[in-house]
Amino acid sequence: GQNIDQPTEMTATEGAIVQINCTYQTSGFNGLFWYQQHAGEAPTFLSYNVLDGLEEKGRFSSFLSRSKGYSYLLLKELQMKDSASYLCAAMDSNYQLIWGAGTKLIIKP
Amino acid sequence: GAVVSQHPSWVICKSGTSVKIECRSLDFQATTMFWYRQFPKQSLMLMATSNEGSKATYEQGVEKDKFLINHASLTLSTLTVTSAHPEDSSFYICSARDGDSEVDEQFFGPGTRLTVL
Repeated sequence: GQNIDQPTEMTATEGAIVQINCTYQTSGFNGLFWYQQHAGEAPTFLSYNVLDGLEEKGRFSSFLSRSKGYSYLLLKELQMKDSASYLCAAMDSNYQLIWGAGTKLIIKP
Repeated sequence: GAVVSQHPSWVICKSGTSVKIECRSLDFQATTMFWYRQFPKQSLMLMATSNEGSKATYEQGVEKDKFLINHASLTLSTLTVTSAHPEDSSFYICSARDGDSEVDEQFFGPGTRLTVL
């Protein structure tokens, strides 16, 4: 079956760095997405990886290893506004997104 | 980035009534739109995939006669919750895929919070 695993909750300190891991199993693979979702709001797009390696975009970076079925989202210089849920989603061979349950990130001062 | 709007933002209705939610892509043509439901503290659950001009494809366990989807144009899809009941109370989110984009990302609407009394 198709499955996405990511931690339920993580806590980090303002100004620090945090890495959110995601492992996936899908029927075929057309890329790995990360979305940010604040409470009560719709998800917003953060990153897309389809090739192995690291993609950097400002304070956020995303890494993909296709052979390991593994990705991580790296957040640097954490700010209080980064407190949100981070959703990992893998696109299968039918171009459908398979969603993880999300990782709730709590930032403490 | 591309913008997707949803209307209404929230709705409260009595049990047994029907509710229509609109999803519009404002600055791009969306050949495919998706309808999700999200219960508190849970992940997004795909309900159906909607392609312009054709019938929607429903996920297993989603009643197509209860959740009517119409994708009549490249910029509008509607979800009608018929004979709503309290267990249908949820956050309904639509997303649209920009067919001209190099990245197959989905752009999400702001969501509609439905409360059925």
